[in-house]
Amino acid sequence: GQQLNQSPQSMFIQEGEDVSMNCTSSSIFNTWLWYKQDPGEGPVLLIALYKAGELTSNGRLTAQFGITRKDSFLNISASIPSDVGIYFCAGRAGAGSYQLTFGKGTKLSVIP
Amino acid sequence: KAGVTQTPRYLIKTRGQQVTLSCSPISGHRSVSWYQQTPGQGLQFLFEYFSETQRNKGNFPGRFSGRQFSNSRSEMNVSTLELGDSALYLCASSSTGVYGYTFGSGTRLTVV
Repeated sequence: GQQLNQSPQSMFIQEGEDVSMNCTSSSIFNTWLWYKQDPGEGPVLLIALYKAGELTSNGRLTAQFGITRKDSFLNISASIPSDVGIYFCAGRAGAGSYQLTFGKGTKLSVIP
Repeated sequence: KAGVTQTPRYLIKTRGQQVTLSCSPISGHRSVSWYQQTPGQGLQFLFEYFSETQRNKGNFPGRFSGRQFSNSRSEMNVSTLELGDSALYLCASSSTGVYGYTFGSGTRLTVV
């Protein structure tokens, strides 16, 4: 089945630093999504990407849909303590597929 | 606009019992999908419904089933519970199943 490789698994950074995480796949996805999950809650959608090469920002977050359609990255600039959480990438394969395949997550810790 | 509502939030069941979880999607959304989240396996797709029809099904045993009602509300059922079914069960709604998946807070199921 399809799998997403998300890295890094965890990160410890200083407040104010920039963060980068990425996801790669052996198969093509037509949609890439980035979610953040806080303990005990469901994932919250941060950015959605629907076109290869697309670069989209949401405040301090920027994500890109890879040209090959097999990868995506998420950048967080000038991290703050509330950025702490687990970030997931998710992909949707395409026509006829209505399921999301998730990466294993990147656990972000921000040191004030 | 109300979000995705899942009930109950927490549930404790005994091995061999069955359980029914409920999901009310965002008003106007006709696609509802279900995911199981565990520390070991991460987020895994269970099934997706659109207008009362199951369109996609994940690789879970037949003990896991679901349905969707005419008002788009969905339920999932797990029969003959096993210890390994302990997980956070998440429901996501989307207008068509292609864009903008919004997750609920989940139902934490513990099987003892």
